Amino acid sequence: EPEVTQTPSHQVTQMGQEVILRCVPISNHLYFYWYRQILGQKVEFLVSFYNNEISEKSEIFDDQFSVERPDGSNFTLKIRSTKLEDSAMYFCASNQGQVGYTFGSGTRLTVV
Amino acid sequence: QKEVEQNSGPLSVPEGAIASLNCTYSDRGSQSFFWYRQYSGKSPELIMFIYSNGDKEDGRFTAQLNKASQYVSLLIRDSQPSDSATYLCAVNGEGFKTIFGAGTRLFVKA
Repeated sequence: EPEVTQTPSHQVTQMGQEVILRCVPISNHLYFYWYRQILGQKVEFLVSFYNNEISEKSEIFDDQFSVERPDGSNFTLKIRSTKLEDSAMYFCASNQGQVGYTFGSGTRLTVV
Repeated sequence: QKEVEQNSGPLSVPEGAIASLNCTYSDRGSQSFFWYRQYSGKSPELIMFIYSNGDKEDGRFTAQLNKASQYVSLLIRDSQPSDSATYLCAVNGEGFKTIFGAGTRLFVKA
């Protein structure tokens, strides 16, 4: 069964450093997303991406965040200057439209 | 602020029983409704989606939608210990964003 692949599975970074989280969505999916889940809390929407541009973003997705699809397969989330409160599980997801998501296994980001 | 509300649980049911999970949402314009299962430390996994009022069955799972009451439910028949997880209700409006509830923890006792 097709999968969404995320790397790394765990990233530890110092406050103020830049991190890039990587995702390979399912190949025939058209819509790509980043969500995050702080430990013990809700899954929160960050951004959606369609046709090589951001289609919607949340208040969380401020100027410190950016997304990119540098080639035909990878989809990345960059956090420019990490803060302690950015520590969370980050999930990439993809789908073909108004249907449910296939989530990747997530990247646990720990900011120290 | 669009909200999706769920009872956090835990909901405890004996093996073989029916588990009933409920969810309410605030946005009347919501169009798509989903149930995900999330095991501890894992990513959410889609179980069911429903768009129209009424019931939708898939194996042991039945999703129920009542748009007038802004209410979605999930029934799990013949509950198994492997069903023990957190169940997330999720709602999508016209845009691309899906809003998740905080989840209900289900514990199925063997």
